[in-house]
Amino acid sequence: AQSVTQLDSHVSVSEGTPVLLRCNYSSSYSPSLFWYVQHPNKGLQLLLKYTSAATLVKGINGFEAEFKKSETSFHLTKPSAHMSDAAEYFCVVSYQPNFGNEKLTFGTGTRLTIIP
Amino acid sequence: NAGVTQTPKFQVLKTGQSMTLQCAQDMNHNSMYWYRQDPGMGLRLIYYSASEGTTDKGEVPNGYNVSRLNKREFSLRLESAAPSQTSVYFCASRYSGTGSYEQYFGPGTRLTVT
Repeated sequence: AQSVTQLDSHVSVSEGTPVLLRCNYSSSYSPSLFWYVQHPNKGLQLLLKYTSAATLVKGINGFEAEFKKSETSFHLTKPSAHMSDAAEYFCVVSYQPNFGNEKLTFGTGTRLTIIP
Repeated sequence: NAGVTQTPKFQVLKTGQSMTLQCAQDMNHNSMYWYRQDPGMGLRLIYYSASEGTTDKGEVPNGYNVSRLNKREFSLRLESAAPSQTSVYFCASRYSGTGSYEQYFGPGTRLTVT
């Protein structure tokens, strides 16, 4: 069994300040973890993924996330927020019940608002 | 290379009507997925297809059927629409293989059932 908890449903930051979106997970397996971003009325786009290589993962648009097994966390950060970062962010854990297939469990999302 | 495409983008149905949501991908992916997105609930898996000719239920399959027509196309059918099926529907596809690969998502279909 696996689950994902996004600790904040809504985060507001000022433009130019750091962003922190928090995610905790549980998994019976060695997890693969993802962050996806969804801009208004758009589909989901992959920001970054962790697949048991380096624990600090760099993604697109200056985002990064650190996998901490002891804390079962995978928080998403960015040093300096930009207006274009305003979107909904989903933390996702995956497992493969059988070869070639992968099932994702989504968190409930964090809406990021950027204050000019 | 269009990625994952979905039709229609918007649809309004009356209770009891039927419709089929279409999805196609041009990335030669084996696995395809249908999700629904409801406010405050993230995405929930309805059905998936690990390869051409196979389909399996996900978390919320009741009221839906699917067809994997060929490797490119994966359709979702609502036989008798209900207001509880008002949602945004996303199709996704993924390369299958050892290891973890990202899913690619379509732009979504916004469905309202009155």
